[in-house]
Amino acid sequence: AQSVTQLDSHVSVSEGTPVLLRCNYSSSYSPSLFWYVQHPNKGLQLLLKYTSAATLVKGINGFEAEFKKSETSFHLTKPSAHMSDAAEYFCVVSVGLGYGGSQGNLIFGKGTKLSVKP
Amino acid sequence: EPEVTQTPSHQVTQMGQEVILRCVPISNHLYFYWYRQILGQKVEFLVSFYNNEISEKSEIFDDQFSVERPDGSNFTLKIRSTKLEDSAMYFCASSGGTGGYYGYTFGSGTRLTVV
Repeated sequence: AQSVTQLDSHVSVSEGTPVLLRCNYSSSYSPSLFWYVQHPNKGLQLLLKYTSAATLVKGINGFEAEFKKSETSFHLTKPSAHMSDAAEYFCVVSVGLGYGGSQGNLIFGKGTKLSVKP
Repeated sequence: EPEVTQTPSHQVTQMGQEVILRCVPISNHLYFYWYRQILGQKVEFLVSFYNNEISEKSEIFDDQFSVERPDGSNFTLKIRSTKLEDSAMYFCASSGGTGGYYGYTFGSGTRLTVV
């Protein structure tokens, strides 16, 4: 069965310092992995996705994530936090059709709330 | 950039009433989904829809729920007799294909409050 664990429910950083949001996944098959961001009262916006191509994935707004199969991790990083990065971040796993899982539905982590202090 | 549009953004309904949540997926997408997020909990999969039929549904998606693509552009979620526990944010999503490669585009959600 597929699952995803976000190791921190809340992360607080100062503006201009690095951001690290941790995510571990469990999958019997080659997963597709995503990070989504949800700003207050807004929808889910795709930050980046990994689909078995390059293991270092660059996303929008300066975020990137590295797929590490040996560690079953897909941590999200950003070199320098901005106030506008304050939001909730979701690590998500999908197993596509034909891999013994469901037809591409997504399994969400519990989310990590990122606070950015001035 | 193409968007998934959901209406209304907020809906308040009385327990036992029927509600219909509406979504306009991205026009060339083929796969459609509903997810929900109860306050303080995980985002949960409800149902996926392809080729005018349900392709998968979760345990949450019981007989009180139904989906429809009535006119080739709208994708609706109907709850026949709402319960207090149906209060949640409901997200519609669409995808150009199955699996993660194609990505999923989400709407901004409908916040449903059952009183």
